[in-house]
Order: sequence, then structure tokens, then C-alpha cells
Amino acid sequence: AQSVTQLGSHVSVSEGALVLLRCNYSSSVPPYLFWYVQYPNQGLQLLLKYTTGATLVKGINGFEAEFKKSETSFHLTKPSAHMSDAAEYFCAVSEYGGSQGNLIFGKGTKLSVKP
Amino acid sequence: GAGVSQSPSNKVTEKGKDVELRCDPISGHTALYWYRQSLGQGLEFLIYFQGNSAPDKSGLPSDRFSAERTGESVSTLTIQRTQQEDSAVYLCASSRPGLAGQISSYNEQFFGPGTRLTVL
Repeated sequence: AQSVTQLGSHVSVSEGALVLLRCNYSSSVPPYLFWYVQYPNQGLQLLLKYTTGATLVKGINGFEAEFKKSETSFHLTKPSAHMSDAAEYFCAVSEYGGSQGNLIFGKGTKLSVKP
Repeated sequence: GAGVSQSPSNKVTEKGKDVELRCDPISGHTALYWYRQSLGQGLEFLIYFQGNSAPDKSGLPSDRFSAERTGESVSTLTIQRTQQEDSAVYLCASSRPGLAGQISSYNEQFFGPGTRLTVL
């Protein structure tokens, strides 16, 4: 069965600092991996995804993530944090691989950005 | 265009009552998902509808939970005899049909704003 582990339920960075949110996965099939962001009182929005091909994927708002099969990781980074990045971030893996089917989510990491 | 909508946005009910939560997916999206977001449990998959296929109910936590979908449109999640542990935000998502023959295609799941259920 697929699973996702996000290290750190809360991460705090200063504005302008590097953002690094960690995600490790377990998958018995070639994984499809995702990062979603949830702003307060809003639904989930897709930040970026990895399906096949290039292992460094770029998403919206300056975020990117690198798929590392040897480390079973898909960490999310942003070079310079902005106050508007404060939100909760979820890493997810497609349960059965492929283009359909439900997602398995990590427990989320709440990002705080200090001025 | 319109996104996924859910109603009500908030629902407060008494323990033991039944509740119905509604999801209107994006037009043309054949796949529809229900998830539950609760403190301590994170986001959990509940049920998945794909076109006219039998739904994947593997995530439903008990037989008090059920869901229906009318064709490829509205879905209703019903919780019978609600318990306090059912308190959570219930999220619905929809996605387009898969592209035949394209292994690497992924159809993004678009999420609604959720229904916050509080069971007193």
C-alpha cells in the first residue's frame, strides 16, 4: 500500500529565506506524486506534480520539487519565502499510480513566514 | 468557469442525527472523490466514482457512511446516526476523464471548499 510521510507538522521561516518541506513516500508501483496547498478556510490547490520524465518539476508561485527515487523523496522547495506562502502544504501519492484513482495524503506541514 | 461547489459550507448536528452533504463537480468531470479532513487524521480518502463504473468504497470508515452519484453530476454523501468522531471537514474533488493510451497523463483533482461538519 502507498503511504506518505511529511517530516515536521510545523515549519517556520523568515521572509526571504529558503523554504524546504520534506516528503517521503512508499509505493509499490511507479509513483505519481503531488504537492497541494491549502490556505485558511479554502480548498486544496495543486502546486505541482510528478508523473514521469524530468525529475525536477516546477509549480506555481515559485515552488519546485525533485523526485529522488533512490531516496523515495519528493521535497518541496522555494528559494525565497513570501508572507503569502503561509499555508498548509500536503504531499500526496496516487494510490494505484496512473491517471485516475484516489490520492493518499501526508498529514500536512503548516508553514509560517515571519516578517 | 465554475469550480467544484459543496453545500452546506457548515453543518452542526446532534449526535445520532443523519446528515447529507452535497457536491456539484465541474461540468464534464467524470471522476468524483470524497475525502475527510480531521485533526490528527489528516486527509483520508472515502469514496471514488468514475463514470458508470461501480464506485470504490474502500475508504468508507463504517456502514453509517454512504454516497450516491446521479450520472456524472451531483453526489451526496450521507452519514447516518452521526457520532462526535464524524466531526471533520468533508472535501469533494472532481477530475476529467483519462486520456486513452497516454500512460503519463494525469487529470488534476479540483477540490471544493469543503463542508465543515460538527457533531455535538
